[in-house]
Amino acid sequence: GDSVTQMEGPVTLSEEAFLTINCTYTATGYPSLFWYVQYPGEGLQLLLKATKADDKGSNKGFEATYRKETTSFHLEKGSVQVSDSAVYFCALTSLNDYKLSFGAGTTVTVRA
Amino acid sequence: KAGVTQTPRYLIKTRGQQVTLSCSPISGHRSVSWYQQTPGQGLQFLFEYFSETQRNKGNFPGRFSGRQFSNSRSEMNVSTLELGDSALYLCASSLPSGTDFSYEQYFGPGTRLTVT
Repeated sequence: GDSVTQMEGPVTLSEEAFLTINCTYTATGYPSLFWYVQYPGEGLQLLLKATKADDKGSNKGFEATYRKETTSFHLEKGSVQVSDSAVYFCALTSLNDYKLSFGAGTTVTVRA
Repeated sequence: KAGVTQTPRYLIKTRGQQVTLSCSPISGHRSVSWYQQTPGQGLQFLFEYFSETQRNKGNFPGRFSGRQFSNSRSEMNVSTLELGDSALYLCASSLPSGTDFSYEQYFGPGTRLTVT
């Protein structure tokens, strides 16, 4: 079945540092890929998505590129802020599957 | 546009009891999904409904059930609660269409269930 593997955390960074969170996936066919973010005490928010190979999703300074050849969807941000402290989840869905399969989540803490 | 709403936000139940959680999707969204989030197992898919029909179900025991009403609102029920059912239960809604394969899901704040 479909699965997502994320780099384990926690990740602690200083403000303005570069952030990268690795995500690789296993799926039949061509899934859609997502990054969700969860702030303390809240539900998940969609951060960005990509629906086909070589698509780049971007939002709020975050970027991720759908790499079919390496089955990866790594999340990057060039300069993090304290407000980026959260748990980040990589996820995928396959055609007619009607569900998201999530990675384990990566906790990111940004210090001033 | 209002987001996904879930009620109640917090719930404490005793082992052996049953519980019903409610979810109202974003207006116009016809697909509703449920997920269980725990520190040990992460986010796990429970089931998905579209137009009152369950289209997919996760690997959970029969104690977990759900339904969707004609106005797209959904409920999930857990019978004979166990300590391990303590979790954050998240509902998500989506507006799937024939041309949108991306299947973006929008999540509510969750219901925190504690079983004692």
